[in-house]
Amino acid sequence: DAGVTQSPTHLIKTRGQQVTLRCSPKSGHDTVSWYQQALGQGPQFIFQYYEEEERQRGNFPDRFSGHQFPNYSSELNVNALLLGDSALYLCASSLLRDRGSQAYGYTFGSGTRLTVV
Amino acid sequence: ILNVEQSPQSLHVQEGDSTNFTCSFPSSNFYALHWYRWETAKSPEALFVMTLNGDEKKKGRISATLNTKEGYSYLYIKGSQPEDSATYLCAFVQLGNQFYFGTGTSLTVIP
Repeated sequence: DAGVTQSPTHLIKTRGQQVTLRCSPKSGHDTVSWYQQALGQGPQFIFQYYEEEERQRGNFPDRFSGHQFPNYSSELNVNALLLGDSALYLCASSLLRDRGSQAYGYTFGSGTRLTVV
Repeated sequence: ILNVEQSPQSLHVQEGDSTNFTCSFPSSNFYALHWYRWETAKSPEALFVMTLNGDEKKKGRISATLNTKEGYSYLYIKGSQPEDSATYLCAFVQLGNQFYFGTGTSLTVIP
């Protein structure tokens, strides 16, 4: 049973560019959450997708946007990249019906390391 | 700004030692407290989800306690082994399902 897969694992972008990160949730999960972990900090909640809609959003600017597809996979898009966007981006999946993330914990991917130069 | 604090930030222990670390969180609007274990170059892995004041959970040599009234949780590792080396993250889940993670405790077990 595959867990959460994220791609790419690493990438380097230039300031001002746009980037798309991808996530496939664990089989059977229907909800995808995205987190940003900057150096020395804990993961910060970006947003959560369920039924192809954004359910919740953390304190991130509109440059951060996302999408969820009918197969539950998700993308995180960041426009007009800033040096401060350099971080590890984690995707986490859960099953909303069972209030999965609260009852059983998230299933995380191993992240995409984004470096903005 | 909601603050979840973990202490210590890092620690080194000898193989066989027992150790513990702390997660402090707000005592209001509590819904759940999660512990995750994160090995280098791998994914964070859920250890415990705790929801009730006074909860104690155990998985092998690792256990956790929860005090929601005073806003803290302890994670204990008995007889530490090198494979326990990892970062241990806690997450406070607020009513409304908003997650707030601490910065983690990095544990190194020296053989």
